[in-house]
Amino acid sequence: ETGVTQSPTHLIKTRGQQVTLRCSSQSGHNTVSWYQQALGQGPQFIFQYYREEENGRGNFPPRFSGLQFPNYSSELNVNALELDDSALYLCASFPRGLEGETQYFGPGTRLLVL
Amino acid sequence: RKEVEQDPGPFNVPEGATVAFNCTYSNSASQSFFWYRQDCRKEPKLLMSVYSSGNEDGRFTAQLNRASQYISLLIRDSKLSDSATYLCVALDSWGKLQFGAGTQVVVTP
Repeated sequence: ETGVTQSPTHLIKTRGQQVTLRCSSQSGHNTVSWYQQALGQGPQFIFQYYREEENGRGNFPPRFSGLQFPNYSSELNVNALELDDSALYLCASFPRGLEGETQYFGPGTRLLVL
Repeated sequence: RKEVEQDPGPFNVPEGATVAFNCTYSNSASQSFFWYRQDCRKEPKLLMSVYSSGNEDGRFTAQLNRASQYISLLIRDSKLSDSATYLCVALDSWGKLQFGAGTQVVVTP
């Protein structure tokens, strides 16, 4: 196991609702990235948090927002949910600043928007 | 054009056979490369890093060709448990992973 945990594992919401997903990074990892994986696609980068600041963002609208806490855990918030937001949401953690850093994924949160 | 492109497959491989597949990447500034394995409805798991000199991990061999901007993965003596989707990944300078859509491998008895 990677030591990266995510909650909840599954979630069902309706259009227009808001959702918060949580990620606890592996011990010693100061950076968390969030990815969205739609069915049949590879994961797409949403954003990354380093030292509690957003440190890079992919092509996602502002209704996707996040936080990182002093213990390096992180939240992903999605407002005004749309049907296309249905996907597997993955977080990955790594120790930024170390050579050869690799990213380890949590088990993901499967979100279904009806 | 996608930044990382892969043949989606599926590659149907008899048990014990060898299978190889590639991916191409468009960002020449990509710093590091990886193969991740993803089982159905599970998270991606790191299979191996990819180096220009080529590297081997048991039955798996990965190769990076920076001049042609492609990465390869070869699996020897395929096992049934090798059936999965293999994701080709490029890492940029600030830690963003670019994933391909994956290559499906199905190992048959």
